[in-house]
Amino acid sequence: GENVEQHPSTLSVQEGDSAVIKCTYSDSASNYFPWYKQELGKGPQLIIDIRSNVGEKKDQRIAVTLNKTAKHFSLHITETQPEDSAVYFCAAADNYGQNFVFGPGTRLSVLP
Amino acid sequence: SQTIHQWPATLVQPVGSPLSLECTVEGTSNPNLYWYRQAAGRGLQLLFYSVGIGQISSEVPQNLSASRPQDRQFILSSKKLLLSDSGFYLCAWSVPPEAFFGQGTRLTVV
Repeated sequence: GENVEQHPSTLSVQEGDSAVIKCTYSDSASNYFPWYKQELGKGPQLIIDIRSNVGEKKDQRIAVTLNKTAKHFSLHITETQPEDSAVYFCAAADNYGQNFVFGPGTRLSVLP
Repeated sequence: SQTIHQWPATLVQPVGSPLSLECTVEGTSNPNLYWYRQAAGRGLQLLFYSVGIGQISSEVPQNLSASRPQDRQFILSSKKLLLSDSGFYLCAWSVPPEAFFGQGTRLTVV
């Protein structure tokens, strides 16, 4: 079955700097890669996703890149702000949503 | 627009008591529904998923069960809670491949 690894497990950056979180997956059938942000005591919120026919997607300060050949994808946050502090989860799934696997999460701390 | 309701938000239950957590989805038909558990500071553990009424798949054998009596209703139950059942329980819905989470239930078994 699918296996998703995520690094680093914790990340601290200064406000205004960039943050990068990387994930790898094992199943070549996966073609949908979402990223979730979970704030303390709340459910994960979908913040951006990418499908396998696209190499990069950007939404304001957040971007995701995908290298399907190498089976890895990354989340990039630029100009980080304290409100970006949260736990971020990557995931991999096929189009049928029956192989939805999450990474273990990255705790991001943005220091003022 | 689609919304997901999960309740209660917090729950404290004694060991050996029963459990019923409910999740409902609005604004979509025939979604895939999921129950996840998250231990403190840990990742998301898939417990159950359902692709239709009465269709439940269990990912982890344990003290819990799930039911889907209606298309947009998903219930997580236990007959007798254990201390190890404490955690943050999340319901999610999906119209493949996108998935969205509820706000979670913090369960503390004492």
